Amino acid sequence: AIQMTQSPSSLSASVGDRVTITCRASQGINIDLAWYQQKPGQAPELLIYDASSLQSGVPSRFSGSASGTDFTLTISSLQPEDFATYYCLQDYTYPWTFGQGTKVEIK
Amino acid sequence: QVQLVESGGGVVQPGGSLRLSCAASGFTFSSHGMHWVRQAPGKGLEWVAFIRYDVSNKYYTDSVKGRFTISRDNSKSTVFLQMNSLRPEDTAVYYCAKDRVSMGFGELDYWGQGILVTVSA
Repeated sequence: AIQMTQSPSSLSASVGDRVTITCRASQGINIDLAWYQQKPGQAPELLIYDASSLQSGVPSRFSGSASGTDFTLTISSLQPEDFATYYCLQDYTYPWTFGQGTKVEIK
Repeated sequence: QVQLVESGGGVVQPGGSLRLSCAASGFTFSSHGMHWVRQAPGKGLEWVAFIRYDVSNKYYTDSVKGRFTISRDNSKSTVFLQMNSLRPEDTAVYYCAKDRVSMGFGELDYWGQGILVTVSA
């Protein structure tokens, strides 16, 4: 199975900060990567698909990019509602695999 | 609006069986692949199983192969997960989720609220 290595596992940031989260795939996955946000007690929500396409209704401060097997989620200006855990997901081949998650906490 | 509602969870002894259901509404169910994803308490997300819209393909994560079976009833807009030979490590919240792409393969764009399965003696 393809391994998705996500970093960091957690980070502390302030409102207004620029935040970057990275996922590295153990092999090429084209651009078949999605990013999800999960808040405590809630189901995950799709933010980005195909590495850089913004899901409908998601604020434009979220963006995604890809370079080879490295994928990045960027939050340009962190808002109070963005404190959550973020996961990447490769949907290139089955079994699909998630990254370990990044918890974004308030500094 | 899209709704996915899971049911059938609960407490089961190791070695036991459970059948989860996910009732869908608000989209053309028969045109979308469906997935199950689980999350053990305090842990990350784990993709579990997929069934194509026309049942032509099914896929599973290695740890559940031979024990779990995904199926669907397009006439009732419902997807199922039959779980046999359950182990304590299967304890998790189980989510059903739909493919974003109609009649294709794609990301998970809508998720249910999740249902807890506890495997314990």
